[in-house]
Amino acid sequence: KQEVTQIPAALSVPEGENLVLNCSFTDSAIYNLQWFRQDPGKGLTSLLLIQSSQREQTSGRLNASLDKSSGRSTLYIAASQPGDSATYLCAVGTTNTGNQFYFGTGTSLTVIP
Amino acid sequence: SQTIHQWPATLVQPVGSPLSLECTVEGTSNPNLYWYRQAAGRGLQLLFYSVGIGQISSEVPQNLSASRPQDRQFILSSKKLLLSDSGFYLCAWTRESDGELFFGEGSRLTVL
Repeated sequence: KQEVTQIPAALSVPEGENLVLNCSFTDSAIYNLQWFRQDPGKGLTSLLLIQSSQREQTSGRLNASLDKSSGRSTLYIAASQPGDSATYLCAVGTTNTGNQFYFGTGTSLTVIP
Repeated sequence: SQTIHQWPATLVQPVGSPLSLECTVEGTSNPNLYWYRQAAGRGLQLLFYSVGIGQISSEVPQNLSASRPQDRQFILSSKKLLLSDSGFYLCAWTRESDGELFFGEGSRLTVL
């Protein structure tokens, strides 16, 4: 069974700092990997989707990379802002029918003004 | 564009009462639909998924059931709620072209 781990569980950084969030998974036979943001009491917002054949995806200040062979993905946030404060979750999709997603427990990010 | 609606947003129910949470997706046809539960401090747990009308798969044995009466409607139900059913329930769907997963805003259920 796929296991997804996110370390650290919580992270606090000063505004303007670049930061990296980590996601590791145990089975490299994945279909895709997705990063989400969750604000308190809200649903999950999709940030970036990386297909298994891709190495990275970028959206604005966010860059996500994927290394299937090592079972790792990173989410890079450039020039962090207080509005980036949220919990970030990664999810690994293991079939192309989309019915198997394995989630990490998330990294809670606080950006201090 | 596609959107997903989920309601009610907040629900407080006594133990033993019934439950109905509803989710609808707009702007797509025949989506895969999911119900997840997120307990405080824990990860997302897949409860049910559906690949078509009337087709429901259950991931864990529980006090809940799901139904898909229409292509873009997914309902989570219970006949008698337990305290342990409290949590944050999330409906989601996947885009067929690339498998991207999209979530609704969630429903906070408190069972007293």
